[in-house]
Amino acid sequence: RKEVEQDPGPFNVPEGATVAFNCTYSNSASQSFFWYRQDCRKEPKLLMSVYSSGNEDGRFTAQLNRASQYISLLIRDSKLSDSATYLCVVNGKNRDDKIIFGKGTRLHILP
Amino acid sequence: DTGVSQNPRHKITKRGQNVTFRCDPISEHNRLYWYRQTLGQGPEFLTYFQNEAQLEKSRLLSDRFSAERPKGSFSTLEIQRTEQGDSAMYLCASSLGGGAAGANVLTFGAGSRLTVL
Repeated sequence: RKEVEQDPGPFNVPEGATVAFNCTYSNSASQSFFWYRQDCRKEPKLLMSVYSSGNEDGRFTAQLNRASQYISLLIRDSKLSDSATYLCVVNGKNRDDKIIFGKGTRLHILP
Repeated sequence: DTGVSQNPRHKITKRGQNVTFRCDPISEHNRLYWYRQTLGQGPEFLTYFQNEAQLEKSRLLSDRFSAERPKGSFSTLEIQRTEQGDSAMYLCASSLGGGAAGANVLTFGAGSRLTVL
C-alpha cells in the first residue's frame, strides 16, 4: 500500500458546484496532515492544515478520519480560479518524520 | 526574507555530466527538504535535514545523488553521471521543525528544472 494515495482525477466540475476529494494514508501513527495546492508549472503552496476536529477556511473544509485513515477536502461554490492540482500531505510516524506527498488530484472548473 | 531560493532555475546537461543545485531556505527554518517532481506526479521525497544533519535519504535514491547542508543554512544537491531518467523538477522546501504549531508547514522554492540530453 502506498504511503499516501489520491484519485488523480481529473475532476471536471461546473463553476459554482461543490467538489470533494479524499486521500488515504498508510501509517496510522502519522501526526500532521495538510492540503497543498499546485498550479501548472508552479511550486506547491499550503492550502490548509488538517486538524483532528476538522477545520474550515472560507469555501474550503478539511476533515480527518483517523479510524479510517483518510483526510478530505471539500470546496463549495467552486470558482474558475480553483482549477489546480490538490496535493495531500502527511508526515511520518513521529512529529519529526519526513513529509510525504500524494500524487495529487487535478481539478478543472468549467465555466 | 525573500523566501526559499533555488539556483539554477534551469539546467540542460548531457548524459554523464555532473550537476549541482543550490537551495537557500528561509533563514529561521531548521528543516530543509529536497523533492523531485515529474509531469503529472506529486513531489517525491528525496532527503531532508535538521540543521546540518541529514536525517533520512530515500531508498529510491541511487548513490549518484548526494546532498549536503554543511552549516545548517543553504543546501546543495549533486547528481553525478546524470542519466536521462534524472530529468525532472528538483524542489527544495524548508520548515521550522520542532514541536511548535505549524512546524511541519513547508515553504517551497520555485524549483530547479533539469533536462538531461
